[in-house]
Amino acid sequence: KAGVTQTPRYLIKTRGQQVTLSCSPISGHRSVSWYQQTPGQGLQFLFEYFSETQRNKGNFPGRFSGRQFSNSRSEMNVSTLELGDSALYLCASSLASGSATGELFFGEGSRLTVL
Amino acid sequence: QQPVQSPQAVILREGEDAVINCSSSKALYSVHWYRQKHGEAPVFLMILLKGGEQKGHDKISASFNEKKQQSSLYLTASQLSYSGTYFCGTGGNAGNMLTFGGGTRLMVKP
Repeated sequence: KAGVTQTPRYLIKTRGQQVTLSCSPISGHRSVSWYQQTPGQGLQFLFEYFSETQRNKGNFPGRFSGRQFSNSRSEMNVSTLELGDSALYLCASSLASGSATGELFFGEGSRLTVL
Repeated sequence: QQPVQSPQAVILREGEDAVINCSSSKALYSVHWYRQKHGEAPVFLMILLKGGEQKGHDKISASFNEKKQQSSLYLTASQLSYSGTYFCGTGGNAGNMLTFGGGTRLMVKP
């Protein structure tokens, strides 16, 4: 069974640019969550999508957005990049939506460097 | 509010035991524990729900004290493979939004 696939794995952008990251969840999983991981702030929740609907959104500016497609694949977009957006962006998939329902399966992440 | 994990780092010899604590200032609905090795994705260890239920996974177990808003992860007879950073994540009753603690870096030496 294939795991969570994130693309691209590494990317370098300059300030002001925008970036789109992609996540393919485990087959049959309908919930996709995104997390930002930095040495200073740790793992921070960005948003969760379930059946193409955003269920929750973390405390991030509107420059961070996402969407989910009918096949459960998800994308997140960051516009007008800032140096502080440099981070590892992790996608996690789950069968259902609900913190009591079970584990999150994380992808290996997309490492974004903003110069 | 981010849960607080303690200790921040611990070094063990193979075979020794360790306890990692996770405290929250908010009422807990669920607590997840994950381990992340350097350069890898976080991997699920266990989930604990309201009710003080204790769970086990091989020689790793955890408890959840709802009243104290705390969870503890117990690693017994540690193995080299236990090395990594352990995160607790607290969840609410809607969605998969987890608030993670700052992590506990654990190193097991031969």
